[in-house]
This record gives sequence, structure tokens and C-alpha cells, in this order.
Amino acid sequence: DGGITQSPKYLFRKEGQNVTLSCEQNLNHDAMYWYRQDPGQGLRLIYYSQIVNDFQKGDIAEGYSVSREKKESFPLTVTSAQKNPTAFYLCASSIRDGKRDTEAFFGQGTRLTVV
Amino acid sequence: AQSVTQLGSHVSVSEGALVLLRCNYSSSVPPYLFWYVQYPNQGLQLLLKYTSAATLVKGINGFEAEFKKSETSFHLTKPSAHMSDAAEYFCAVSHLMNTGFQKLVFGTGTRLLVSP
Repeated sequence: DGGITQSPKYLFRKEGQNVTLSCEQNLNHDAMYWYRQDPGQGLRLIYYSQIVNDFQKGDIAEGYSVSREKKESFPLTVTSAQKNPTAFYLCASSIRDGKRDTEAFFGQGTRLTVV
Repeated sequence: AQSVTQLGSHVSVSEGALVLLRCNYSSSVPPYLFWYVQYPNQGLQLLLKYTSAATLVKGINGFEAEFKKSETSFHLTKPSAHMSDAAEYFCAVSHLMNTGFQKLVFGTGTRLLVSP
């Protein structure tokens, strides 16, 4: 079955550590996204990538980094510079109709907790 | 800039009652609009979408939404609520970026509570 796979589902990070969240899709979508979700704040865009080897900062990119070396993969690294990383992280990819995203597909999310 | 506003962070209904979740959008171009549902500790699932075809859009699980350009609204409805509808619902609009591409912008969500 086609879809988006995020791993791990739960992740614990110590203060000062970098951690990497995995996101893989087999939908052949060009565009991929990372969102952060906090209670009462909806989804906030961290980074997005429209094509391989290209990515752009979203609204809250500070303390995060990404890479897009393969179409299928868009890993997110939460660095020690991110002061409040505890959150639910969602990866998505989208169908494109010309220059417009028509529908986003989401992974099941990774819940990151700082201990 | 394109954006969406969801009125009401929480909506409570009784089982069997009408469900109405409100979404208003702003867009300088003909919008694509979406409703997503999220169950606890899961990702978002598409309920329905409007992409400039019929203004009344039917989705999964008995939900539907009507695009009203004059009111800049895309409210989500279901005639009769079921306990399994309790979840968080997000409205989204496609947003035109300065790169010429469009990405999705989400509202802050509405939590639907269903009581027996």
C-alpha cells in the first residue's frame, strides 16, 4: 500500500541532543512538508520541499534542519538550538496539479519529548 | 495572503444531532479548500476537498461542505452525529507562495465533542 511512514512513533531526547525524525513516502509525490503541532495552535509549518535537493524554511524553522537527497525521503533534525522541542511532529506529502497542491497525505506522526 | 479561520475551538453536540463546523477563508485567487480530521495521536486524514468543481462537496463518513464564494465560507456539516465523529477537525486552503507554487495553510482546528 502507498503511504507515508514516520518513525519512530515516540522519541525521547535529552537536553542538548540532536535527534532525527524519519519520513518516507512511496506515493511518488514531489512536495513534502514538516509540521509541528502543539495543543491549541493547529499545525505550524517548519520546512517544505518542492523537489529533490531543494527545500525552503516555513514559519518556525529555527532550531530545525532538513535534507532532501531522495524523492522518497525528507528527514527532520531537531537540533539543540530548538529550545522547546516537545511536540507532535507531522510529515506530509502532496499531489501537485500544475503549480498548486491539491491534497496532502499525512504520516501518523512522531511525538517528541525532552527528558 | 491566503488564510483560514475556524470559529470555535470546541463544539459540543449530542449523538444524532446536526454537526456544523465553521470555516471562513481569505484568498486572492480561486481557492482550493480542504477539511481534515485527526483522531488522538494520529495523523490527519482528508475528509473532503473543493477544487473549483461542484460547490457542494460530499466526503467520507457522511460529511459534506458547501463552498460559498459570497460568504467566503466552507462550513462542514453532518446531519446526524455519531460517537465516532469525536475528533479534531482542520480546515485548510492552498496558499500561493512567492515561488509561484502553492502550499496548504491550516486553521487552528475545532475539537468536536459528542455526548450520548
